Amino acid sequence: AQKVTQAQTEISVVEKEDVTLDCVYETRDTTYYLFWYKQPPSGELVFLIRRNSFDEQNEISGRYSWNFQKSTSSFNFTITASQVVDSAVYFCALSAKYGNKLVFGAGTILRVKS
Amino acid sequence: GAGVSQSPSNKVTEKGKDVELRCDPISGHTALYWYRQSLGQGLEFLIYFQGNSAPDKSGLPSDRFSAERTGGSVSTLTIQRTQQEDSAVYLCASSSGLVRGQFFGPGTRLTVL
Repeated sequence: AQKVTQAQTEISVVEKEDVTLDCVYETRDTTYYLFWYKQPPSGELVFLIRRNSFDEQNEISGRYSWNFQKSTSSFNFTITASQVVDSAVYFCALSAKYGNKLVFGAGTILRVKS
Repeated sequence: GAGVSQSPSNKVTEKGKDVELRCDPISGHTALYWYRQSLGQGLEFLIYFQGNSAPDKSGLPSDRFSAERTGGSVSTLTIQRTQQEDSAVYLCASSSGLVRGQFFGPGTRLTVL
């Protein structure tokens, strides 16, 4: 069975602080895919990143960075110098193979205050 | 190009009525998914269509739920004899082997009175 755990229900930070959102996953598959999605107040889920299980390179995209560690089954997401527009619910998700259904974590509510 | 579209955006119905929710995927995307988002259950997978293969219906919560995809494009999710616990936001997503990730529509908010 596959499972994604986002232990942080809600995080509040002040603008310009760095913040890390945790994601821990469980799967028996040797090949799998990990995702992060953002759900702003408007409600639409926005794709942020996909990582393959065989590629542990960390990735940086602007103020966003992702740390994938197979040894701890974690795929954490860091926002550097947070902004009010980053306020949203962030979901981590797992897929057994590319194109297959996603198993989502419960989500982390991020509130960035000015 | 246009993203995934869903209609209606909101649907209010009475318990026991049938409802149909529509999804128009991104043009050229071969895979289409339905998910449900509710306060108590989070984001749950419902059903998945891939090309001409038999759909993966493993997430459908009961036989009151069904979905079809016509011509490999538009999909309709049907809920028969709606119950109050069916109230949720129903999300559709599509994907292609050429594109990373699943791309979601804005959802249909279903309220069963």
